[in-house]
Amino acid sequence: DAGVIQSPRHEVTEMGQEVTLRCKPISGHDYLFWYRQTMMRGLELLIYFNNNVPIDDSGMPEDRFSAKMPNASFSTLKIQPSEPRDSAVYFCASRTTSNTEAFFGQGTRLTVV
Amino acid sequence: KNQVEQSPQSLIILEGKNCTLQCNYTVSPFSNLRWYKQDTGRGPVSLTIMTFSENTKSNGRYTATLDADTKQSSLHITASQLSDSASYICVVMKGGSYIPTFGRGTSLIVHP
Repeated sequence: DAGVIQSPRHEVTEMGQEVTLRCKPISGHDYLFWYRQTMMRGLELLIYFNNNVPIDDSGMPEDRFSAKMPNASFSTLKIQPSEPRDSAVYFCASRTTSNTEAFFGQGTRLTVV
Repeated sequence: KNQVEQSPQSLIILEGKNCTLQCNYTVSPFSNLRWYKQDTGRGPVSLTIMTFSENTKSNGRYTATLDADTKQSSLHITASQLSDSASYICVVMKGGSYIPTFGRGTSLIVHP
């Protein structure tokens, strides 16, 4: 298995633009997590899905952030409109119900200028 | 509030030396504690997992300890190598929850 795959690896966008981050979890994993990592705050959970259903989105900072999981093999995190303070590394992770170890993708480094 | 505090925030050591990273937590009820290693530009990767009944667990040159009474864990790295340079993150899982609590990590730099 190729692991959790995220795209793009790097994204630079102008303030006000829409940004879409993509994630393909490991096949067979029924939990998917979106995290944001910054120097100041470390890793923060934004939202997680179980069997494609959003379970807890209390970590989503504002209405500008939205996430979807249309099927078991694909999820998106969208920021519209983007702001400079959204600049961070965004990680997607997946795991199974029986194993608490989350497997992380390589992250998307987002820079909003 | 459930928290995970790590120390030191950063650490620089010479290759071949040992070091110990600390993690204190207030998460309750406790389910398990993991140490993750995060190389620059990559996602975190699990090193060890410890449950309530475990005191020590090793993974090669990495040895994790857990004192569930004092809610403290440590990660000891023996005979450090340049490839150990990374951020080490302590993650505590609350019992009955699927949401882990992350520490902010300790940044380790190993110099030749």
